[in-house]
Amino acid sequence: GENVEQHPSTLSVQEGDSAVIKCTYSDSASNYFPWYKQELGKRPQLIIDIRSNVGEKKDQRIAVTLNKTAKHFSLHITETQPEDSAVYFCAASSTGNQFYFGTGTSLTVIP
Amino acid sequence: GAVVSQHPSWVICKSGTSVKIECRSLDFQATTMFWYRQFPKQSLMLMATSNEGSKATYEQGVEKDKFLINHASLTLSTLTVTSAHPEDSSFYICSAPSGGLYGYTFGSGTRLTVV
Repeated sequence: GENVEQHPSTLSVQEGDSAVIKCTYSDSASNYFPWYKQELGKRPQLIIDIRSNVGEKKDQRIAVTLNKTAKHFSLHITETQPEDSAVYFCAASSTGNQFYFGTGTSLTVIP
Repeated sequence: GAVVSQHPSWVICKSGTSVKIECRSLDFQATTMFWYRQFPKQSLMLMATSNEGSKATYEQGVEKDKFLINHASLTLSTLTVTSAHPEDSSFYICSAPSGGLYGYTFGSGTRLTVV
């Protein structure tokens, strides 16, 4: 089955700096890679996703890059704000199959 | 957008009792429902995949007799934790492929505490 690894597990940045979270996956059949933001006790919220037919996608301060050859993808948050503090999960899925999450990154943005 | 309604949001039960968690897709048909468990400060772990009208597929290490999953209709999937023990205390959350822009929709989660 798929194995998704995520680093770092914790990340602290100063407000306004950038944050980068990296994930690797093992199953070459995976073709959908979403990123979720989860606040304590709440459901994960999709913040951005990328499909295997593109290498990069950007939505305002958030961007995701995908390297299919190396089987890794990254989340980039620029101009971080205190409200960006949360746990972020990457995930990998092949269409119609299971949906596997990384181990999570606890991001703290220091005002 | 697509909504998955999950109930209850929080439940406390005694050891040895059973608890049923429901996930309903409100404005779309969920032929598949994924069930996850999340321990404090840990990631979401896929437990099983339910498909409407057929038996659920369980991940390795998940006891199918303990975590009973039923997906009797296109809008309802249930997870029953049988003979619950304190180690079953966790956050359980469902998600369903909902198509469109976001792909998957999560329920709001159920915090189970077994005392």
